[in-house]
Amino acid sequence: DTAVSQTPKYLVTQMGNDKSIKCEQNLGHDTMYWYKQDSKKFLKIMFSYNNKELIINETVPNRFSPKSPDKAHLNLHINSLELGDSAVYFCASSPSEFWGAEAFFGQGTRLTVV
Amino acid sequence: DQQVKQNSPSLSVQEGRISILNCDYTNSMFDYFLWYKKYPAEGPTFLISISSIKDKNEDGRFTVFLNKSAKHLSLHIVPSQPGDSAVYFCAASPDGNQFYFGTGTSLTVIP
Repeated sequence: DTAVSQTPKYLVTQMGNDKSIKCEQNLGHDTMYWYKQDSKKFLKIMFSYNNKELIINETVPNRFSPKSPDKAHLNLHINSLELGDSAVYFCASSPSEFWGAEAFFGQGTRLTVV
Repeated sequence: DQQVKQNSPSLSVQEGRISILNCDYTNSMFDYFLWYKKYPAEGPTFLISISSIKDKNEDGRFTVFLNKSAKHLSLHIVPSQPGDSAVYFCAASPDGNQFYFGTGTSLTVIP
């Protein structure tokens, strides 16, 4: 039973389209995150939600909008997709907003914009 | 089902000594492995990688060892410094696309 699941795993879409990536965790954690992995494998935090409230909102284009309908879900919606949005996006969760030794990552969603 | 496991949630090491962080995986199809370091309230920072064609990769004070037959990799930090205190994650992938992360080991380097 997957702790943090992201869908879809692969997403190929054209420039200008709007797409969403879904993330769900069944661990009962209060905090969820979205990361973008760049070509050098660096994981850049995009958003952090704690119990449905936005905690971290790093400098990302406002075409990216997170949505948390409940604390088990944090979806990422992207408007007007651009070529530079192509990357792997990871969702993660942890028991609290103060990271300790445990964090659970989803497997990633590879987004390719053509 | 956790395919990548870091069985030690925490580790304490004296400054100047070697830190050894371990990671085990279950899927023999994994060929690409990464280590990340994470400070509190920051995103993980990529540290070092290794692919299955090698059994060792070194970058400064950091060395990653891969034992494919044992499905085990380890990160060695020599010498350990207080600034190395962080949470370390390993990640594995069969193809460089889908990654499976461990849950992290919190390293404390004692001055």
